Amino acid sequence: SQTIHQWPATLVQPVGSPLSLECTVEGTSNPNLYWYRQAAGRGLQLLFYSVGIGQISSEVPQNLSASRPQDRQFILSSKKLLLSDSGFYLCAWSVIGVGSNSPLHFGNGTRLTVT
Amino acid sequence: AQKITQTQPGMFVQEKEAVTLDCTYDTSDQSYGLFWYKQPSSGEMIFLIYQGSYDEQNATEGRYSLNFQKARKSANLVISASQLGDSAMYFCAMRPLDDKIIFGKGTRLHILP
Repeated sequence: SQTIHQWPATLVQPVGSPLSLECTVEGTSNPNLYWYRQAAGRGLQLLFYSVGIGQISSEVPQNLSASRPQDRQFILSSKKLLLSDSGFYLCAWSVIGVGSNSPLHFGNGTRLTVT
Repeated sequence: AQKITQTQPGMFVQEKEAVTLDCTYDTSDQSYGLFWYKQPSSGEMIFLIYQGSYDEQNATEGRYSLNFQKARKSANLVISASQLGDSAMYFCAMRPLDDKIIFGKGTRLHILP
């Protein structure tokens, strides 16, 4: 069966420090991978989307970046965190193709607090 | 541009009553998928139900049903016989042709005993 691992679960970082959040998927090949951010009490904002190794689509201008060094690994990074980067970050995967009824499968999320 | 709109920030419903959560969407794609997710206070995202744009019948999954009105671009979630455990945040989402799945801002549902 497919599983998705996301870590760490919580993170407190000072302003200006770097960030690296990692997400790995098991049990499937060539998934679509997604990073979302959820501000406190709000909806999910799509940050990055990837259809394959090295193929990243950035959806929102920001000081975050994403990389996909392996088929089932998706990394969210920042060189210098801002206070506005605080939030709940969710990684997700899905089967490719709009004809598929495959939903997004989410990791457990990382709660990031920038102080 | 693709967009999902949920106009109810919060709702209070008596236990055992049915509840309808509103969702409208905007897309120029002919083929797309619609989803509903539940997010309890723990933060996990739980998939509830899916509706394809070409599906002629409304989707149902246990106590959940999706009232799909394609001409009105509406995909409301109906929960029958609500339970205390249904208290959570609910998100409507759309998968357009480019697979960049977008979400609405959510509705916080409170079930009252």
